[in-house]
Amino acid sequence: DGGITQSPKYLFRKEGQNVTLSCEQNLNHDAMYWYRQDPGQGLRLIYYSQIVNDFQKGDIAEGYSVSREKKESFPLTVTSAQKNPTAFYLCASRGTHNLANYGYTFGSGTRLTVV
Amino acid sequence: GENVEQHPSTLSVQEGDSAVIKCTYSDSASNYFPWYKQELGKGPQLIIDIRSNVGEKKDQRIAVTLNKTAKHFSLHITETQPEDSAVYFCAAMDSSYKLIFGSGTRLLVRP
Repeated sequence: DGGITQSPKYLFRKEGQNVTLSCEQNLNHDAMYWYRQDPGQGLRLIYYSQIVNDFQKGDIAEGYSVSREKKESFPLTVTSAQKNPTAFYLCASRGTHNLANYGYTFGSGTRLTVV
Repeated sequence: GENVEQHPSTLSVQEGDSAVIKCTYSDSASNYFPWYKQELGKGPQLIIDIRSNVGEKKDQRIAVTLNKTAKHFSLHITETQPEDSAVYFCAAMDSSYKLIFGSGTRLLVRP
């Protein structure tokens, strides 16, 4: 089945550490997105990529970095510069070939906790 | 840029009653408005969407209405069931194909 997979489901980070969250899709989607969700709040855009080897900052990019070396993969690194990284992180993808279908497909999320 | 506001933040209804969630958006150029359902600990799932050339769309017990002039759109769930309990998010797509989300509505359907 086609889908988008995030791993790990739970991740614990010590102060000062960088951690990388994985996002893989086999939907042949060109565009991929990273959102952050805090308790009781909506989704805020961190980074997005419309095509391989290209990505743009979203609304809250500070303290995060991404890469897009392959169409299927869009990993997110939470660096030590992110002062409050505890949150639920969601990855999404969108096909761009069919302009009649704008919808995003979301992964199941990674819950990151600083210990 | 686009801004989306969503109300109410929580909604409690009796099983079988209807539920209505409302959103407003700021950018008149937005032309795609999806609704997502998120269950605890899971990613959001698309339940219905509407484009700006359509005023209403229905799928079984779920319907969405769009008023472009007033820049607001609403989700209607009829004959609610306990399994409808979840957090619902509205969103608007901006000119760069980015989705801007509302803050969410926690729906509780009481048996």
